[in-house]
Amino acid sequence: GENVEQHPSTLSVQEGDSAVIKCTYSDSASNYFPWYKQELGKGPQLIIDIRSNVGEKKDQRIAVTLNKTAKHFSLHITETQPEDSAVYFCAASLNSGGYQKVTFGIGTKLQVIP
Amino acid sequence: DGGITQSPKYLFRKEGQNVTLSCEQNLNHDAMYWYRQDPGQGLRLIYYSQIVNDFQKGDIAEGYSVSREKKESFPLTVTSAQKNPTAFYLCASSAIDSLNYGYTFGSGTRLTVV
Repeated sequence: GENVEQHPSTLSVQEGDSAVIKCTYSDSASNYFPWYKQELGKGPQLIIDIRSNVGEKKDQRIAVTLNKTAKHFSLHITETQPEDSAVYFCAASLNSGGYQKVTFGIGTKLQVIP
Repeated sequence: DGGITQSPKYLFRKEGQNVTLSCEQNLNHDAMYWYRQDPGQGLRLIYYSQIVNDFQKGDIAEGYSVSREKKESFPLTVTSAQKNPTAFYLCASSAIDSLNYGYTFGSGTRLTVV
């Protein structure tokens, strides 16, 4: 089955700096890669996603890149703010017997220091 | 506003008791999911359902049961057979083609065995 590895597990950055979280996946059939942000005591929220036919996608301060050959994708947050502090999960999704199976990474706890 | 509602937010269970966690969505999503979240282990799939009156086991279904009698509702019962039920439980929903929409998560239920 699919295996998603996520690094680093914790990340501290100064406010205004950039943050990068990296994920690798094992199954080349994965075709959809969402990123979720989870604030303390809440459920994860989809913040950006990318499909396998796209190399990069940007939404204001957040961008995601995908390298299908190397099977890795990354989340980039620029000009970080204290409200970006949260746990971020990457995921890889593939079609398995008619069901879109999603495998999550273990999460990265991002701390933005004011 | 459309969304997914989990209740209760906190739940305490005595040893040997069954408890049921509620999950309701008004997004008209076909698919619904239950995940368990433990510190340092990311999100693990318990059960999922793609259509009313049908559901499938996920990766850690032992000690849990579900029903899907209505499209909007997907309750999870944690039975006494679940040896270590203390965790944060997340319900999610998606359009049947989650390639397009990703998951919408509820705000979670924290279950504690006392």
